[in-house]
Amino acid sequence: KQEVTQIPAALSVPEGENLVLNCSFTDSAIYNLQWFRQDPGKGLTSLLLIQSSQREQTSGRLNASLDKSSGRSTLYIAASQPGDSATYLCAVKSGGSYIPTFGRGTSLIVHP
Amino acid sequence: NAGVTQTPKFRVLKTGQSMTLLCAQDMNHEYMYWYRQDPGMGLRLIHYSVGEGTTAKGEVPDGYNVSRLKKQNFLLGLESAAPSQTSVYFCASSAIQAEGSGNKETQYFGPGTRLLVL
Repeated sequence: KQEVTQIPAALSVPEGENLVLNCSFTDSAIYNLQWFRQDPGKGLTSLLLIQSSQREQTSGRLNASLDKSSGRSTLYIAASQPGDSATYLCAVKSGGSYIPTFGRGTSLIVHP
Repeated sequence: NAGVTQTPKFRVLKTGQSMTLLCAQDMNHEYMYWYRQDPGMGLRLIHYSVGEGTTAKGEVPDGYNVSRLKKQNFLLGLESAAPSQTSVYFCASSAIQAEGSGNKETQYFGPGTRLLVL
């Protein structure tokens, strides 16, 4: 059974810092990995999707990498802003499964 | 496109009452999912559907039923609500899209339904 862990559970940083969020998974036979953002009281918004054949994806100040052999993905946020404050979740879809497995998220606060 | 919409946004039920949550998507997606999100538990899959007329159990299906009579709608039913079903319910949809480097599948989520069972 796939298990997804996100570390740290919570993070508080000053504005302008570059930061890294981690996502690890136990079964490396994945189909894809997706990073989401969730604002308080809202639904999930997709940030980046990495297919199993890819090593990274970039969107603006966000960069997500994937290392299947070590069972890890990182979400890099450059020059963090207060508007980046949210919970970030990763979800892994295993090969041959319709069901994604979610981590519990990292709660990020960027203070001015 | 409205994307994924959920009805209602908020509901209070008494123990034993029944209700149906409606999820609708206008993206012609094949796959649809119902999750519940609880503090400290993360997102847990209740039921899912891989196409019109099909449904399957997820991680926590007990106490819930679903139907996918139309491709664009996925209904979640609670026949006899219990306080343990107090949660935020999210619907999601996805489809496999062919791209140059292979197939791609992105999940899109609705805004959620907050349910309180007294």
